[in-house]
Amino acid sequence: GAVVSQHPSRVICKSGTSVKIECRSLDFQATTMFWYRQFPKQSLMLMATSNEGSKATYEQGVEKDKFLINHASLTLSTLTVTSAHPEDSSFYICSALVSGGREKLLFGSGTQLSVL
Amino acid sequence: GDSVTQMEGPVTLSEEAFLTINCTYTATGYPSLFWYVQYPGEGLQLLLKATKADDKGSNKGFEATYRKETTSFHLEKGSVQVSDSAVYFCGSTSGTYKYIFGTGTRLKVLA
Repeated sequence: GAVVSQHPSRVICKSGTSVKIECRSLDFQATTMFWYRQFPKQSLMLMATSNEGSKATYEQGVEKDKFLINHASLTLSTLTVTSAHPEDSSFYICSALVSGGREKLLFGSGTQLSVL
Repeated sequence: GDSVTQMEGPVTLSEEAFLTINCTYTATGYPSLFWYVQYPGEGLQLLLKATKADDKGSNKGFEATYRKETTSFHLEKGSVQVSDSAVYFCGSTSGTYKYIFGTGTRLKVLA
């Protein structure tokens, strides 16, 4: 059945490096995907909405030059955290909109990013 | 703006105990309300939902009632099992798939 696969589940990187997180839709095509971030003890917050073939729409306060989103195909969206810093350490999770019939959101399992 | 507030965890219960996880919301309109559950190593899964006032969502023994007068959507289960151990997220949406979530509440059920 339809599943959203997110990789990696955990990544540790050095400050200043870039990290790419992948979100894939399996057994369905996703024209719209969403990226969320959760800091410890805070709410899961929407960062951006990604539409296949067009630029992502970022929520207020999210730096689009720092969090690069690419949704080049109907089954893959990527989030790249550029020049990561310790304050970017967070839990990142993607979701994809399943269209046709009853629309619903499917979520990936999340990525725990730790920047040293 | 819209927001969701849910009780902080972790919540630790013995098997067969009664569970309540509180959730309140603020919204300018009439949002749909959800509870999602995340089991270890998996993505968030929709547990139940309610789309209008007084609706009761239910699934797998869990229930939540959309209370407009108290702006609440508390999650309840009469008898929890070890397999219910997970993180529970309360959320709302006003129909645009822009979901607002709470902090998540970790539930641990002991045998």
